Amino acid sequence: EAQVTQNPRYLITVTGKKLTVTCSQNMNHEYMSWYRQDPGLGLRQIYYSMNVEVTDKGDVPEGYKVSRKEKRNFPLILESPSPNQTSLYFCASSFTGYTEAFFGQGTRLTVV
Amino acid sequence: DQQVKQNSPSLSVQEGRISILNCDYTNSMFDYFLWYKKYPAEGPTFLISISSIKDKNEDGRFTVFLNKSAKHLSLHIVPSQPGDSAVYFCAARGSGNTGKLIFGQGTTLQVKP
Repeated sequence: EAQVTQNPRYLITVTGKKLTVTCSQNMNHEYMSWYRQDPGLGLRQIYYSMNVEVTDKGDVPEGYKVSRKEKRNFPLILESPSPNQTSLYFCASSFTGYTEAFFGQGTRLTVV
Repeated sequence: DQQVKQNSPSLSVQEGRISILNCDYTNSMFDYFLWYKKYPAEGPTFLISISSIKDKNEDGRFTVFLNKSAKHLSLHIVPSQPGDSAVYFCAARGSGNTGKLIFGQGTTLQVKP
């Protein structure tokens, strides 16, 4: 089954404790990205990657890092999480930047 | 600065009637628009799209209309079904090949049996 898989689905952590949210897709997509969803703001892009070893900032990259060492994986790293990073996070992938995106099921992160 | 706006946070319609969800945008350079549907505890799923060179695209019960002069698009669902109850996001594709989607705030549709 074609899918984008994120882990974990739910995470509660404390301020400053490094964490990684994993994302994997099995559709051989070139393009992957991370979004965060906040009430009243819709989804906003954090980082994107057009191919292996190519990443770039989206609209809200502060406090996040990503890497793209393999085509299928695109982890999101929070080196020192803060409460304002409490949000619902979605990973997405697509064949190119011009085709529709497929989204993972989301990771609800709470930073206390 | 919200470039894509969905001004109605919620909409309630009766089963079998038409649902109309609206979306406005500010950037005339947007060339592609999409609608996504999202159920609770799931990721958004692609529903329908429209290129800026068209003014209408239809897929079964779903039709998207684009009015470029007004910078407005709408999603029509006819007839509405209880299973259509979800949050609907309008999105515009940003310029270049960055693939960035710029989303509206979402509209929660409730279809009552």
